[in-house]
Amino acid sequence: GENVEQHPSTLSVQEGDSAVIKCTYSDSASNYFPWYKQELGKRPQLIIDIRSNVGEKKDQRIAVTLNKTAKHFSLHITETQPEDSAVYFCAASLNYGGSQGNLIFGKGTKLSVKP
Amino acid sequence: NAGVTQTPKFRILKIGQSMTLQCTQDMNHNYMYWYRQDPGMGLKLIYYSVGAGITDKGEVPNGYNVSRSTTEDFPLRLELAAPSQTSVYFCASSPAKGGTDTQYFGPGTRLTVL
Repeated sequence: GENVEQHPSTLSVQEGDSAVIKCTYSDSASNYFPWYKQELGKRPQLIIDIRSNVGEKKDQRIAVTLNKTAKHFSLHITETQPEDSAVYFCAASLNYGGSQGNLIFGKGTKLSVKP
Repeated sequence: NAGVTQTPKFRILKIGQSMTLQCTQDMNHNYMYWYRQDPGMGLKLIYYSVGAGITDKGEVPNGYNVSRSTTEDFPLRLELAAPSQTSVYFCASSPAKGGTDTQYFGPGTRLTVL
């Protein structure tokens, strides 16, 4: 079946450094790629998303890049702060059969930002 | 708006018991979803609904049932609970297909089956 691979599973950085999380997807028809942040004991919340007609999108310290040819997309966080510590999930839309319009999630990356 | 709400927050069940997890949204979203989250495994789709009266299976539907009698409510029913159903359950809603727009998640229900 279709899947989304996410790496690394854990990432530790010093405050002020950059963090990069990478995901690859298998459904070539995927056209929507959101990123969710989940703080400990909280619900996942959307932080940024990108559609297949765009190669890059930025929102303050967060950016996402998409390479459709290679079927991978990445989350970039610059000038990391302790409050960025959380689990980050990537996802890709499914666009076939009965699952059309649903999301498949990666397994998550636990980001720790050390002061 | 309260957004997406779920009850209960925590529950412990014995093997073989049944229960219903409640989910309500006040954003008038047509699309609603149930996920389970196991440690280190991301979010797996259990069931989803594209509107009142319409539901369909997701990736891991076995052992669960849903109904959607109104736009606002999307309860998840566990029959004959098993230890493998120990997980955190999240309900979500979306104004459009989840594969094209933001999904808004509820606070989750932590379920333990002993």
